[in-house]
Amino acid sequence: GAVVSQHPSWVICKSGTSVKIECRSLDFQATTMFWYRQFPKQSLMLMATSNEGSKATYEQGVEKDKFLINHASLTLSTLTVTSAHPEDSSFYICSAKVHRGNQPQHFGDGTRLSIL
Amino acid sequence: GESVGLHLPTLSVQEGDNSIINCAYSNSASDYFIWYKQESGKGPQFIIDIRSNMDKRQGQRVTVLLNKTVKHLSLQIAATQPGDSAVYFCDNDMRFGAGTRLTVKP
Repeated sequence: GAVVSQHPSWVICKSGTSVKIECRSLDFQATTMFWYRQFPKQSLMLMATSNEGSKATYEQGVEKDKFLINHASLTLSTLTVTSAHPEDSSFYICSAKVHRGNQPQHFGDGTRLSIL
Repeated sequence: GESVGLHLPTLSVQEGDNSIINCAYSNSASDYFIWYKQESGKGPQFIIDIRSNMDKRQGQRVTVLLNKTVKHLSLQIAATQPGDSAVYFCDNDMRFGAGTRLTVKP
């Protein structure tokens, strides 16, 4: 149980394009989901916390107008990278917890984004 | 800000040996810690967790040790197998350490 699905798994697009990444909790409801960014050979960096029915909470230094997050249902959060540029190329990973509080996160398998 | 860091960025062990991966944290108020394993091109997978009211917890072939006095966390893998090759992260309140790449030599 506790499966998180992420789509697409990889995307290549031209500079200036906006790209949407979906994160779904398949067998549980997630009022909160998390978006991470990971550069090669580096750790995961928390970008934002996605809250169902309300605005996302962004970490310091993350541009909210650049990385739009929508959490419209208890099983779906989306991250849209707007007007993507080559420096936005990275591995984006989402996660969710089954319950609030001290619980492990369940991660999707990530989206490899390459901007040409 | 608070940080979670790792002592060793890489670790190479022989198949069958035990592995120890270390992690230091800075938030003395932290009460929950998690170890994740990340294979290439995939999201992290939960391995084991520990709450601050414990100093040791064992799973299948894995043991986590918590030393709150020196704010240190370790993951021990017994009889390391090739399938254990991956990057291991400690997580403290949504903050990940730098990660240790474990390579198991056959």
